[in-house]
Amino acid sequence: ILNVEQSPQSLHVQEGDSTNFTCSFPSSNFYALHWYRWETAKSPEALFVMTLNGDEKKKGRISATLNTKEGYSYLYIKGSQPEDSATYLCAFPSNQGGKLIFGQGTELSVKP
Amino acid sequence: DGGITQSPKYLFRKEGQNVTLSCEQNLNHDAMYWYRQDPGQGLRLIYYSQIVNDFQKGDIAEGYSVSREKKESFPLTVTSAQKNPTAFYLCASRTAGGFYNEQFFGPGTRLTVL
Repeated sequence: ILNVEQSPQSLHVQEGDSTNFTCSFPSSNFYALHWYRWETAKSPEALFVMTLNGDEKKKGRISATLNTKEGYSYLYIKGSQPEDSATYLCAFPSNQGGKLIFGQGTELSVKP
Repeated sequence: DGGITQSPKYLFRKEGQNVTLSCEQNLNHDAMYWYRQDPGQGLRLIYYSQIVNDFQKGDIAEGYSVSREKKESFPLTVTSAQKNPTAFYLCASRTAGGFYNEQFFGPGTRLTVL
């Protein structure tokens, strides 16, 4: 069974702080890595789909890096804002029907 | 607007009853998925379907059943055989093929067993 781990489980920061969290995944048979943001009372939405070792993707103040050889991805948020408060999920596709194996998520709370 | 709808938003069930959760999408996606979320856990896959009239069990299919008679619809039935059905249920869809296509999610249904 594929295992995807995220750390930390929760994070509390002040507005303006920069923060980062980790997703670990199996380094063998890598296809892609997905990051989703799930805000309270909304549906999860895709942030990034990362495919190549060394990939770095950016959307506004949020960026992500990928190391497929060692099996981890970092998500960074620069200058956190209260609207960044959400659960951030990473997911690893299996080779069966587009199945995604999700990590347990990192719950970020940004206090004004 | 294209998207995924789930109904109802909240559902209460008595023990021993079967209930059906609705999931509809107008994104013309071939593949659809049902996930369950419990506190402190990630999303776990219940069932998925890549094409009409075909579906496969996910990691926690026991006590659940699905059908896929139309491309747009993928209802999930929670049967009385599901030992601990109280949870938040999410439906998702995506275009078929490849590992790079993101999944699009509905707003979810919270099921509570009384």
